[in-house]
Amino acid sequence: DAGVIQSPRHEVTEMGQEVTLRCKPISGHNSLFWYRQTMMRGLELLIYFNNNVPIDDSGMPEDRFSAKMPNASFSTLKIQPSEPRDSAVYFCASSDGGRGGELFFGEGSRLTVL
Amino acid sequence: QKEVEQNSRPLSVPEGAIASLNCTYSDRGSQSFFWYRQYSGKSPELIMSIYSNGDKEDGRFTAQLNKASQYVSLLIRDSQPSDSATYLCAVRGNSGYALNFGKGTSLLVTP
Repeated sequence: DAGVIQSPRHEVTEMGQEVTLRCKPISGHNSLFWYRQTMMRGLELLIYFNNNVPIDDSGMPEDRFSAKMPNASFSTLKIQPSEPRDSAVYFCASSDGGRGGELFFGEGSRLTVL
Repeated sequence: QKEVEQNSRPLSVPEGAIASLNCTYSDRGSQSFFWYRQYSGKSPELIMSIYSNGDKEDGRFTAQLNKASQYVSLLIRDSQPSDSATYLCAVRGNSGYALNFGKGTSLLVTP
């Protein structure tokens, strides 16, 4: 069974450009999470969805960030306009939604904003 | 702010020794606790989960939970160089499904 699939794996862009990160969760999982990882701040939750509905977006840094989950098999995280401080590894994870359910992580998208 | 704290100081142990990793959390209502391992440049992968007070053993790994002290630990017996990685403690609170992660402790097992 395929794991969580993220694209692109690497993205280098210039400040001010729009960035779109994509995620396909594990089939049958009904919770999807977007995390950002930096050396300084570690793994931070940005937003998570349950049954395609955003439940908690309190971790989204500011209005430049937006996330959607139009169906159970696809989610996007968009940054517009991007800034150098957005440089990080962005992880998507999914789970079956149970209280004890573990999170399965994708391989991450490494974003560099110049 | 719900905090998960780990020792940021890297831990170095010789091959074959026991490595002990610790974690404290601030949300007393937390219900589920996880240890993830992350190799450099890779994504986190689950190695242990624990939900009730006491010890849980899986091979060379033992997770320990003390909810009264709000403390979780991971013991790695017979440490191997391949155990060298960053270990992340993660906690699920009483509400919601997201995990709150500590910043991780880097473990180096020297041959």
